[in-house]
Amino acid sequence: DTAVSQTPKYLVTQMGNDKSIKCEQNLGHDTMYWYKQDSKKFLKIMFSYNNKELIINETVPNRFSPKSPDKAHLNLHINSLELGDSAVYFCASSQGGNINYGYTFGSGTRLTVV
Amino acid sequence: QKEVEQNSGPLSVPEGAIASLNCTYSDRVSQSFFWYRQYSGKSPELIMSIYSNGDKEDGRFTAQLNKASQYVSLLIRDSQPSDSATYLCAVNRGTGRRALTFGSGTRLQVQP
Repeated sequence: DTAVSQTPKYLVTQMGNDKSIKCEQNLGHDTMYWYKQDSKKFLKIMFSYNNKELIINETVPNRFSPKSPDKAHLNLHINSLELGDSAVYFCASSQGGNINYGYTFGSGTRLTVV
Repeated sequence: QKEVEQNSGPLSVPEGAIASLNCTYSDRVSQSFFWYRQYSGKSPELIMSIYSNGDKEDGRFTAQLNKASQYVSLLIRDSQPSDSATYLCAVNRGTGRRALTFGSGTRLQVQP
């Protein structure tokens, strides 16, 4: 059983479109994250939810809107996609909000905007 | 100054050698430190965590932490070609911030 699963794995879309990425974890964690990894491998935090509550909201364009319907799911909706949004987006989760145990990452969604 | 800094590499070592990967961090109140390995096209996987000054060993991996120097390193003994990957250093900066801050990674190449 996959611990943190993301869909889709690949997403190719045109500029201006709206797209969503979904994430689900079956680890019983109550904190989930979205990270963006650029072409230079730099992983940057975008959002974090703890038990459906938004606790981290970095400086991200408001075209990006996360949603957590329950503690096992975290989705990311992106409006009006731009070329600069092309990246790999990783979902992650941690145990009980205690990040001293590190994260478990999903397999990533490679978004290409053309 | 970046919050977590790593040399991007590539660091090239021959098979069987010791690979030494380094990371510095800027926030003195950082509490816990992690090394992740990321193969090309894959997600990061946790290989080591360290919280106290000194060394922590796990198989061929040793993490070293020096909080006074704000420095954390990862040693890989008897390096294998399968160790070729990007190694990401991550820091829990504490101060209520509940997310890890990552460095940009060091690419390791182990030559057979």
